[in-house]
Amino acid sequence: GQQLNQSPQSMFIQEGEDVSMNCTSSSIFNTWLWYKQDPGEGPVLLIALYKAGELTSNGRLTAQFGITRKDSFLNISASIPSDVGIYFCAGRKTGNTPLVFGKGTRLSVIA
Amino acid sequence: GAVVSQHPSWVICKSGTSVKIECRSLDFQATTMFWYRQFPKQSLMLMATSNEGSKATYEQGVEKDKFLINHASLTLSTLTVTSAHPEDSSFYICSARPESGGSTEAFFGQGTRLTVV
Repeated sequence: GQQLNQSPQSMFIQEGEDVSMNCTSSSIFNTWLWYKQDPGEGPVLLIALYKAGELTSNGRLTAQFGITRKDSFLNISASIPSDVGIYFCAGRKTGNTPLVFGKGTRLSVIA
Repeated sequence: GAVVSQHPSWVICKSGTSVKIECRSLDFQATTMFWYRQFPKQSLMLMATSNEGSKATYEQGVEKDKFLINHASLTLSTLTVTSAHPEDSSFYICSARPESGGSTEAFFGQGTRLTVV
């Protein structure tokens, strides 16, 4: 099935650094979502974006819905050890159609 | 907040046996639930869309006779892996989205790790 192109695949950063990851698609999505998954758990929603150009924050996290509707990025500022995990972008084209997921970005934070 | 619960969290079974995984929406109703499969260090791949009161919709390449889905009520969907083999070992995750209006997104269960020996 279709997947979104998410990059980078993995990141090793120092505690306190900012992080940026992005997701692109060859087709338009009307909803972009960012999830975090801890080992052995299901994904947890971080930020939901519904409007092209929308910029939304959730604490130290900020995400934007690309103006072309074909991309989105997630920034994490001042990273802390508990930010460690796998971050997935997901897109939905319309209504209640299933989400399409990116391949994930594995984040490691070095204290 | 809304919670989706999966049971069991993990299961080990012998080759050839069948395993049932339950997905429950604890405080909301969901006409539609989704089943995903995730291999180690991989993304979530949609297996099927579970529809309450009707047949599930399977993604291309997913064997409907092997992965039986039953969505008998608005709060419960089950995935049965029939005649399981070692290659069926994986992390299975369900999700459900509240029926009520608004833009509430789907909630995911905690996942079920299946190991077939």
